[in-house]
Amino acid sequence: GENVEQHPSTLSVQEGDSAVIKCTYSDSASNYFPWYKQELGKGPQLIIDIRSNVGEKKDQRIAVTLNKTAKHFSLHITETQPEDSAVYFCAASDTNAGKSTFGDGTTLTVKP
Amino acid sequence: DAGVIQSPRHEVTEMGQEVTLRCKPISGHNSLFWYRQTMMRGLELLIYFNNNVPIDDSGMPEDRFSAKMPNASFSTLKIQPSEPRDSAVYFCASSKQGLFYEQYFGPGTRLTVT
Repeated sequence: GENVEQHPSTLSVQEGDSAVIKCTYSDSASNYFPWYKQELGKGPQLIIDIRSNVGEKKDQRIAVTLNKTAKHFSLHITETQPEDSAVYFCAASDTNAGKSTFGDGTTLTVKP
Repeated sequence: DAGVIQSPRHEVTEMGQEVTLRCKPISGHNSLFWYRQTMMRGLELLIYFNNNVPIDDSGMPEDRFSAKMPNASFSTLKIQPSEPRDSAVYFCASSKQGLFYEQYFGPGTRLTVT
């Protein structure tokens, strides 16, 4: 089955700095890679996603890159703000098989 | 839109009891997902319905777990009998169609089995 590894498990940055979270996956059949933000006591919320036919996607301060050959994808947050503090999860999905595997999460803390 | 609705928000039960978790997806969404989140195992996809039909239940941990979707606006996840290791937060999510579309998560049900 799919195995998703996410690093780092915790990340602390100063407000205004950039944050990068990386994930690797093992199943070449995975074709959809969403990133979720989870705040305390709430369900995960999709913040950005990328499909396997795209190498990079950007939405304001957030960007995701995908390297299919190396089987890794990354989340980039620029100009971080305290409200970016949360747990971030990556996932690798094989939409044809209906399977989705999540990384273990990264706790991001943005210090004002 | 009210978003995905889950009930109850908290459930405390004794080992051996039956537990039923409920979910109402967003109107117009054709896919529904049940997830379990624990510190040890992280976030796990348990089962996925498309147009009320279970597509993949390989994530369901044991025969004690069962899920149904009798219509497009309601789903249940049942645990019978419950065990302490089932304690977790259970999330329901829905999307327009399958895994390729944004999943909207409910607030979750925190289950504690004593």
